[in-house]
Amino acid sequence: ETTLTQSPAFMSATPGDKVNISCKASQDIDDDLNWYQQKPGEAAIFLIHEATTLVPGIPPRFSGSGYGTDFTLTINNIESEDAAYYFCLQHDTFPYTFGQGTKLEIK
Amino acid sequence: QITLKESGPTLVKPTQTLTLTCTFSGFSLSTTGISVAWIRQPPAKALEWLALIYWDDDKRYSPSLKTRLTITKDTSKSQVVLTMTNMDPVDTATYYCAHSRGYDIFDYWGQGTLVTVSS
Repeated sequence: ETTLTQSPAFMSATPGDKVNISCKASQDIDDDLNWYQQKPGEAAIFLIHEATTLVPGIPPRFSGSGYGTDFTLTINNIESEDAAYYFCLQHDTFPYTFGQGTKLEIK
Repeated sequence: QITLKESGPTLVKPTQTLTLTCTFSGFSLSTTGISVAWIRQPPAKALEWLALIYWDDDKRYSPSLKTRLTITKDTSKSQVVLTMTNMDPVDTATYYCAHSRGYDIFDYWGQGTLVTVSS
């Protein structure tokens, strides 16, 4: 089973900031990593697939990078609406596994 | 527009069997490449993938829960059903269903349903 170690668990940012969220896999998963955003009581939103590809309709301030075992979600020019829970998913091998999640607070 | 909605009991007793239904619209689970999965998140813990069913009725289960889970589909009703036997308080979680198409894994999610296991 592939373990995803996501960090930080919590972060606080100010509008206009740039933030990075890390996701490290316990073994090589190529680019089989997705990123999601979730707000309380709402369905999760698909942000990035195959590590770097932005889902259509997602603002370009969101970007993804990485390959193999180290991945990063970057949010540029943070907006107040970006306050949410972010998580990564690996779909390289079953069982699919998730990172522990990051709660992003906007001051 | 693809939507998914989870339904089922909010409270189950230990040892009981949980049955959850995912009712969806905007796609057919008979279309090649489509799958629906169940995922859960215990309070303040990480998400956990449980099971997945493909358009051709192929199924995958979490190895740690495989003996307790059954996933089925009813294409005519646009539903996917998950049963989990021998429920325990540690199974208290919000349960989600999610759609995938080809390599777009979990591109649409339901809002989730909270299930509490308590006597």
